[in-house]
Amino acid sequence: GAGVSQSPSNKVTEKGKDVELRCDPISGHTALYWYRQRLGQGLEFLIYFQGNSAPDKSGLPSDRFSAERTGESVSTLTIQRTQQEDSAVYLCASSLRAGDTDTQYFGPGTRLTVL
Amino acid sequence: GQNIDQPTEMTATEGAIVQINCTYQTSGFNGLFWYQQHAGEAPTFLSYNVLDGLEEKGRFSSFLSRSKGYSYLLLKELQMKDSASYLCAVRDGDYQLIWGAGTKLIIKP
Repeated sequence: GAGVSQSPSNKVTEKGKDVELRCDPISGHTALYWYRQRLGQGLEFLIYFQGNSAPDKSGLPSDRFSAERTGESVSTLTIQRTQQEDSAVYLCASSLRAGDTDTQYFGPGTRLTVL
Repeated sequence: GQNIDQPTEMTATEGAIVQINCTYQTSGFNGLFWYQQHAGEAPTFLSYNVLDGLEEKGRFSSFLSRSKGYSYLLLKELQMKDSASYLCAVRDGDYQLIWGAGTKLIIKP
């Protein structure tokens, strides 16, 4: 596609519910990243995929968070039993491959609000 | 530990020049990125430095000193549309970027 797309753009949910966030990277990009950005703060790394594998899951805040990627394309980030502290913008980025000078291109983000 | 420091907010006048500084302390260094983020939008790539010196790209320039753990983004001929947050990020290994909290730049007429 022309750029990274994410859905939904906004999600309001009740505490305790599960949510699923989707990311469609730029076609041909093998690396995919998930970040969280709380209001007025910098980006917090969550997880990274090279192809369909996730070599680094160290940024996931708790075992309520999980992510998968299929077909070296779409990725979903799932948050189970959401808490109010999960409220943030979740950004997805992709790059041709990890490392070197590769630039990460970001999607518009999903704004998650947990009531 | 890993640390990226930037000023929280800066104000400048339309048509002027502004320099946004970034200092970093990371376990490794494999390049420094600057991104621009307008309110409510995704970050967009501005520049990349991996060697010491100045990289110029139109009205924007970015400088790096690896020995000092220091970078700056220089914006010339400021326009109102340059009002945004500017994020400094360091790649400390093969892929992961460590991000600063960003500098909110306010441009006044």
